[in-house]
Amino acid sequence: DQQVKQNSPSLSVQEGRISILNCDYTNSMFDYFLWYKKYPAEGPTFLISISSIKDKNEDGRFTVFLNKSAKHLSLHIVPSQPGDSAVYFCAASARWSSNTGKLIFGQGTTLQVKP
Amino acid sequence: SQTIHQWPATLVQPVGSPLSLECTVEGTSNPNLYWYRQAAGRGLQLLFYSVGIGQISSEVPQNLSASRPQDRQFILSSKKLLLSDSGFYLCAWGLAHALETQYFGPGTRLLVL
Repeated sequence: DQQVKQNSPSLSVQEGRISILNCDYTNSMFDYFLWYKKYPAEGPTFLISISSIKDKNEDGRFTVFLNKSAKHLSLHIVPSQPGDSAVYFCAASARWSSNTGKLIFGQGTTLQVKP
Repeated sequence: SQTIHQWPATLVQPVGSPLSLECTVEGTSNPNLYWYRQAAGRGLQLLFYSVGIGQISSEVPQNLSASRPQDRQFILSSKKLLLSDSGFYLCAWGLAHALETQYFGPGTRLLVL
């Protein structure tokens, strides 16, 4: 049972344009959501997060939107740069129901930003 | 500042051989620790997590085991490797009391032949 899904395995965007990466989840207990960026042969790097009490969080070129009713979140990168080319993972956690801090990850979306 | 180390970076092992991957965290106390595997072309699968010394929880039945002999040390082991154990193994830590973000190590690439 895939509780966190990233249905697009890949995305190609022109430099300077907007990149939109999508993520869907099924567990209504999730209350904290994160995006990670991963380069080949490296560990994922934390990018941005959002709590379920918010519907938007912005950090520079990165904005995460959360639609709780649709159980959907998205990551917007504006403007996209070639250095943004990487695999992006969405992750979710049910923080207050457990002390484990476990994250459930999606399958990842490979973003390619073309110069 | 906190840092997380994993070694070795790359490992090639024959089927049936033992395995020991080590992860250590610096700059924090009593972290939650996690082992993940990323198989080729797939997402991150949580294998084990630990909320304290000697406390290990397994997420999926498999050929691997984990141990936490010290507060900031997490070890992934196997007595006999299988071909299907090949993958990219990632260790991560998180603040137990804050239940916030997890931070990942550089990973170990394991190839079982």
